[in-house]
Amino acid sequence: AQSVTQLGSHVSVSEGALVLLRCNYSSSVPPYLFWYVQYPNQGLQLLLKYTTGATLVKGINGFEAEFKKSETSFHLTKPSAHMSDAAEYFCAVSDAANFGNEKLTFGTGTRLTIIP
Amino acid sequence: GAVVSQHPSWVICKSGTSVKIECRSLDFQATTMFWYRQFPKQSLMLMATSNEGSKATYEQGVEKDKFLINHASLTLSTLTVTSAHPEDSSFYICSAGGDVQAGEQYFGPGTRLTVT
Repeated sequence: AQSVTQLGSHVSVSEGALVLLRCNYSSSVPPYLFWYVQYPNQGLQLLLKYTTGATLVKGINGFEAEFKKSETSFHLTKPSAHMSDAAEYFCAVSDAANFGNEKLTFGTGTRLTIIP
Repeated sequence: GAVVSQHPSWVICKSGTSVKIECRSLDFQATTMFWYRQFPKQSLMLMATSNEGSKATYEQGVEKDKFLINHASLTLSTLTVTSAHPEDSSFYICSAGGDVQAGEQYFGPGTRLTVT
């Protein structure tokens, strides 16, 4: 069975500071990993995904994440936080190559607050 | 990009009544659609997976007779909450899987249900 652990339900950073949101996964097969962002009362928007190949993945809005198999981690980072980054972030995993048609397992989410 | 819509975006109903939520893929055919439930400040919990033309597959603990899912076409899935109770109040989000080449799962904006 797959699982996702997001360390820290709340993270606060100052505007312009580094953003680091942690995600660790458990999967019996090579995982497909995702980060989604959710703004209040909205659905989820895909930030980035790791499938195969390069372990450093770049996404939208300046975010990137690195897949580290040895650490079973897929932490999300952004060098400089903007006020508009304040949102809920979810890490998710799928064990199927056809992940468009397979269910995703989500972490519990991390609420990111940006301090002016 | 692929767009998934949900209707209504919010609904208030009285206890004991039923409410239907629609999920539509606007510009692609969705073989598979997923229904999630999200409680305030919590993660998304998968309720069921629906495949066009076949019965939905429900996750453990989800009442099939209470949450009726129909996926009658490649662009439409519906979730009907029957005999709603206040504890059914939640944010319901659908997602749709595109074709294999796309390998993407697209999320709707969500429907907030309040049962009074």
